Amino acid sequence: SQQGEEDPQALSIQEGENATMNCSYKTSINNLQWYRQNSGRGLVHLILIRSNEREKHSGRLRVTLDTSKKSSSLLITASRAADTASYFCATDVGGGSEKLVFGKGTKLTVNP
Amino acid sequence: DTAVSQTPKYLVTQMGNDKSIKCEQNLGHDTMYWYKQDSKKFLKIMFSYNNKELIINETVPNRFSPKSPDKAHLNLHINSLELGDSAVYFCASSPRGTKLYGYTFGSGTRLTVV
Repeated sequence: SQQGEEDPQALSIQEGENATMNCSYKTSINNLQWYRQNSGRGLVHLILIRSNEREKHSGRLRVTLDTSKKSSSLLITASRAADTASYFCATDVGGGSEKLVFGKGTKLTVNP
Repeated sequence: DTAVSQTPKYLVTQMGNDKSIKCEQNLGHDTMYWYKQDSKKFLKIMFSYNNKELIINETVPNRFSPKSPDKAHLNLHINSLELGDSAVYFCASSPRGTKLYGYTFGSGTRLTVV
C-alpha cells in the first residue's frame, strides 16, 4: 500500500507567496525526501531529511520532519512561476529495503 | 552530459507486441531502478538492481523482465503488451542504498499501447 500522502492534492498561489505542502506516512523511516516533477519530465531530487533531523534548509526550500506525527512539510518561500510543478515526498523505509515509496504528489501552480 | 538516459522517449505499439526500454547511467552509481507512473501520477517501484544483481522485484507480471548487463545499464523488456501497461516508465539510479542520497531519474519513456 502507499506510504506517503501529500496534502493538498493541488495548490494555486500568486508569485511571491509562500507555498506549503504536507506529507504524512505510515511506517518508521530512515529518511524522507522531496522531489519535483515538471510536466512531461523526470523527477528531480530536492532535499533529504534524516529521521533524526527536525528541519533542513536548501535555498528557498525548508523541510520539517515530525517523526512522532509521521509527517513532513515542504515550504517554498517567495515562489516563482518556474516553481510550477508536482512535488512528491518519498520515504526510505529501511529494514534492508532499498526502495523509496512515493506519495501521490501535490500539483503546485504559481501564477505570474 | 545526461546522467540517466532512457530510450526511447515515446513508444506507441499494439497490444500483443514485445518491446524494450533501455536505460544507461554515467554517474558510477551501484543501484538502478525501474518505476512506473500511472495516469494519476502515482509512482510505483517495479525492480531494483545493485551491481547487476536483482534486489527488488515487486508484484509485477512476469511479462516484465529486467536485464542488467553491467552496473551502468538496466533495460526493461515487456512481452505481450496489454492496454493496462500504458504509463510512463522511469529509470533511476543511486549510490548504494538510499540512506544518504536521493535518486537521479531519467526523463521517462511514455508507453502507449493501442
